[in-house]
Amino acid sequence: KAGVTQTPRYLIKTRGQQVTLSCSPISGHRSVSWYQQTPGQGLQFLFEYFSETQRNKGNFPGRFSGRQFSNSRSEMNVSTLELGDSALYLCASSRFRRGVWTGELFFGEGSRLTVL
Amino acid sequence: EDKVVQSPLSLVVHEGDTVTLNCSYEVTNFRSLLWYKQEKKAPTFLFMLTSSGIEKKSGRLSSILDKKELSSILNITATQTGDSAIYLCAVEEGDSGAGSYQLTFGKGTKLSVIP
Repeated sequence: KAGVTQTPRYLIKTRGQQVTLSCSPISGHRSVSWYQQTPGQGLQFLFEYFSETQRNKGNFPGRFSGRQFSNSRSEMNVSTLELGDSALYLCASSRFRRGVWTGELFFGEGSRLTVL
Repeated sequence: EDKVVQSPLSLVVHEGDTVTLNCSYEVTNFRSLLWYKQEKKAPTFLFMLTSSGIEKKSGRLSSILDKKELSSILNITATQTGDSAIYLCAVEEGDSGAGSYQLTFGKGTKLSVIP
């Protein structure tokens, strides 16, 4: 069974640009969540999607957005990039059993974004 | 203020030692506490602790949730070099029955096991 796939793995952007990151979850997993990881702040929750609906959002500015498609694949977008957006962006998929979250997140390898 | 605090931030031990990692939290609607291990990039799931499951064990790893003290510990006995990693604690909070989850992570404990 294929794991969570994130693309691109590495990218470099300049301030003011925008970026789109992609995540393909494990087959059968309908929940996809996104995280930002930096040395100073650690791992921070961005948002969670289920059946194309954003159900939870972390404390990030509106420049961070996302969406989920009918095949559960998800994208996140960061507009008007700032230097502080340089980070590892991790995507994770998970499943629910009888409507209850199992707690097990399956993470992708991440997309390393550098903003110059 | 951080809602989830892990200690120590880093730890160096010798193979065979036993280590205890700590996680304390302060959230409004606690639902569960989770432990993850991050060796390179992708964290991997270790345990989920809830009000109905406050103690978990898997091999040399075990974890206990203390809801009164709002904390959890992760124990690793007979450590091996392969245990070297960052151990992340996360707290799930939210309304029960919402069918979703929102996690707050601690900054992690970096464990280094030397031969």
